[in-house]
Amino acid sequence: EAQVTQNPRYLITVTGKKLTVTCSQNMNHEYMSWYRQDPGLGLRQIYYSMNVEVTDKGDVPEGYKVSRKEKRNFPLILESPSPNQTSLYFCASMLSGVVSNTEAFFGQGTRLTVV
Amino acid sequence: GENVEQHPSTLSVQEGDSAVIKCTYSDSASNYFPWYKQELGKRPQLIIDIRSNVGEKKDQRIAVTLNKTAKHFSLHITETQPEDSAVYFCAAVSGYSTLTFGKGTMLLVSP
Repeated sequence: EAQVTQNPRYLITVTGKKLTVTCSQNMNHEYMSWYRQDPGLGLRQIYYSMNVEVTDKGDVPEGYKVSRKEKRNFPLILESPSPNQTSLYFCASMLSGVVSNTEAFFGQGTRLTVV
Repeated sequence: GENVEQHPSTLSVQEGDSAVIKCTYSDSASNYFPWYKQELGKRPQLIIDIRSNVGEKKDQRIAVTLNKTAKHFSLHITETQPEDSAVYFCAAVSGYSTLTFGKGTMLLVSP
């Protein structure tokens, strides 16, 4: 089954404790991205990756890091989480980053709480 | 960069009525406009999309229209049903698949 898988689904952590949210897709998609969803603000892009070893900042990259060492995986890293990073996070993948009219497939979401 | 405005933020209708959600975009280079539906506690899922060389597209009870000159596009849902209740996001794609979303519309369909 074609899917995007995020882990964990829920995470409560303390300020400053490094964490990683994993994202994996099995569709051989080139393009992957991370979004955060906050009430009243919609979905805002954090980082995206056009392909292996190619990443770039989205609209709200501060406090986040990503890496794309393999095509299927695109982890989101919070080196020193702060309470303002409490949010619902979605990973998404698309077939191509060059062809701009392909469907985005979303992971099931990770609800992160930083206390 | 692209900016997408979406209205209204909430919409309440009676079952069987029509619902219309409107979006405007700023980047004239945007060429792909998808709509996503997000049910409570679920991930966003594509329900319909339209490309810049098309003015209207229909899929059963949902339709999308695009006015490139005015830079706005709309989602139309006819004969609404309670299962249509969800948050709907419009988006515009410009450049290399960069999806810019509107802030969302919470649609509530009352029986």
